[in-house]
Order: sequence, then structure tokens, then C-alpha cells
Amino acid sequence: LAKTTQPISMDSYEGQEVNITCSHNNIATNDYITWYQQFPSQGPRFIIQGYKTKVTNEVASLFIPADRKSSTLSLPRVSLSDTAVYYCLVGVAGNNRKLIWGLGTSLAVNP
Amino acid sequence: NAGVTQTPKFQVLKTGQSMTLQCAQDMNHEYMSWYRQDPGMGLRLIHYSVGAGITDQGEVPNGYNVSRSTTEDFPLRLLSAAPSQTSVYFCATRSGLTNSPLHFGNGTRLTVT
Repeated sequence: LAKTTQPISMDSYEGQEVNITCSHNNIATNDYITWYQQFPSQGPRFIIQGYKTKVTNEVASLFIPADRKSSTLSLPRVSLSDTAVYYCLVGVAGNNRKLIWGLGTSLAVNP
Repeated sequence: NAGVTQTPKFQVLKTGQSMTLQCAQDMNHEYMSWYRQDPGMGLRLIHYSVGAGITDQGEVPNGYNVSRSTTEDFPLRLLSAAPSQTSVYFCATRSGLTNSPLHFGNGTRLTVT
């Protein structure tokens, strides 16, 4: 089972770009990398998913190096509303039984 | 389009009582699942279902029962609540498409005294 390592917490300021790196040394060939965001008193919300290189959507970018042993979630120009916990998951999305949820990274955006 | 709806939002039970946590989805997703989230631990899978009439155990199934009689609903039953079941419970669904992401409800906060 692919396990991930993320920083426990990060601090930033409004308008800055935030990069959260996730380490997943034993990622398997079929595994995808998926990031979720969770606000207090809400369920996690899907942000972005990728397999290799770079993926970008309207919310974030995901950078995955060639060896796929790590990935970086990039949030451009964060605002106070981006304060949340961010989870990195590695696995085959069709097999949720094997997805391991860590404690995530608690991001605090300050004014 | 409500997505994934969980009821109730909060519940307090006494040890030994039973209750059912409700989860309903209007996205026609085949896959539904229940997680619990506890302080200092990641989300843990309790039970899941890949379609009506099919259920299976996750990582922490003991003390919980599920059934899936329709595509829309996936209730979680606690037959005899214990303090160790105090937690926040999330229902999550996803479509059958390869690598489709999970869609979560907003949770039920359960306290067992």
C-alpha cells in the first residue's frame, strides 16, 4: 500500500503561491496521485489528480517528476478561504479500499 | 442537485443504543462508502458498496452494518453503540469511471456517552 508523507502544517499570506509537497516513495505503476481539500465541519473535496508531469485546472496545479516518488500541489495566489487541510493520496482510484488517508497538511492563510 | 446528503448532522447516543446514519446521493454513482474521521488519524474506510445489493468490509467494519437496496441510499447502522464509535462519519460516492474522484457528504458528528 502506497503511503504518503506531507508536512503537518504550513503558513502563508494572502496573494502568495503555496506549494505543498507530498512524498510517496513506494508508488506503484498503476497508482494515481489525488489531492483533496477539507474545511472544518465539511467532507473532503476533490482538487486535482494526475499520473505524471503536470496537470492544471481552475483551482490548482499538480507537478509530478519523472520518478513519481513525490508530487507538489501548487495553489496560486491563495486567499483566506484557502485555509484548510490538504490531503495527498496515492492509489488506484478504482480501489478505494486501498487508499490510505494520512493526516494531511493544515494550511493557514494569514491576512 | 444536492450531491451527497447525510442525516442527521449531529447525534448523541447512550452506550448500547442503536441508530442509523443516512446517506443519499442523486448523482447516480455506483460506488458508495462510509468513512470515520478521528482526531490524530486519517479517514478510515468502514464499509463500501459497488452497486445495489453488493456490500463489502473496509478497514474498520466491526460494530457497523450496511445494506444497499437502491442506488441512491447507503445507510450505516450501529446496532449497539460504544464510546469508541464517537467520531465524525462521512459518506462518499464515486462514479464507475476509471480514477473518478470521491464525492463526500458533510458528515455526521456522533457522540456516544
